[in-house]
Amino acid sequence: QAVVTQEPSLTVSPGGTVTLTCGSSAGAVTGGHYPYWFQQKPGQAPRTLIYDTSNKHSWTPARFSGSLLGGKAALTLSGAQPEDEAEYYCLLSYSGAAVFGGGTKLTVL
Amino acid sequence: QVQLQESGPGLVKPSQTLSLTCTVSGGSINIASYYWSWIRQPAGKGLEWIGRLYTSGSTKYNPSLESRVTISVDTSKNQFSLKLSSVTAADTAVYYCARESCCWGQGTLVTVSS
Repeated sequence: QAVVTQEPSLTVSPGGTVTLTCGSSAGAVTGGHYPYWFQQKPGQAPRTLIYDTSNKHSWTPARFSGSLLGGKAALTLSGAQPEDEAEYYCLLSYSGAAVFGGGTKLTVL
Repeated sequence: QVQLQESGPGLVKPSQTLSLTCTVSGGSINIASYYWSWIRQPAGKGLEWIGRLYTSGSTKYNPSLESRVTISVDTSKNQFSLKLSSVTAADTAVYYCARESCCWGQGTLVTVSS
């Protein structure tokens, strides 16, 4: 089973830009891994921000975007807000099964 | 918008089978190209993917749990279910059902204890 890796923690200043990445021990991440990004705040269920690499929902703030970058999936936050402080998880699919990354704790400070 | 709600016992004895049901509202569970998943999260830890049910009827499971997991669907009730056998304390977690591309249930805590 592949291991999915994320930065354990990142800090961004209010109004700043930060990129979270999601890598795979099985090689480069592609669109065929259907990368998902989820946001989870303490005491809450996760919510889906990005699906299939870069698709957003109506509830996804425009400041979040998903992409592939340097062989990894990436979630970029442009113009960070205090309410963006949360844990972020990526999920990659491997022939129908899936694996979560360990999560990135994002601090807005 | 689709909503999901988990239900089931909050306490399970060691060696027994954990059984949870997810009720889907606001949309049909039987739409081609969708899949429905179970995910869990031990207290203070990250998310662990348990498995998926595709509307074709096929399933995919986490290899580390595959020998103990069954996910099934009841389209007449718009529900899908999780069974995890031979549970131990390590299976204590908040269990979520989800359509990963969209929507999550609020989660239900299952404690394995005698």
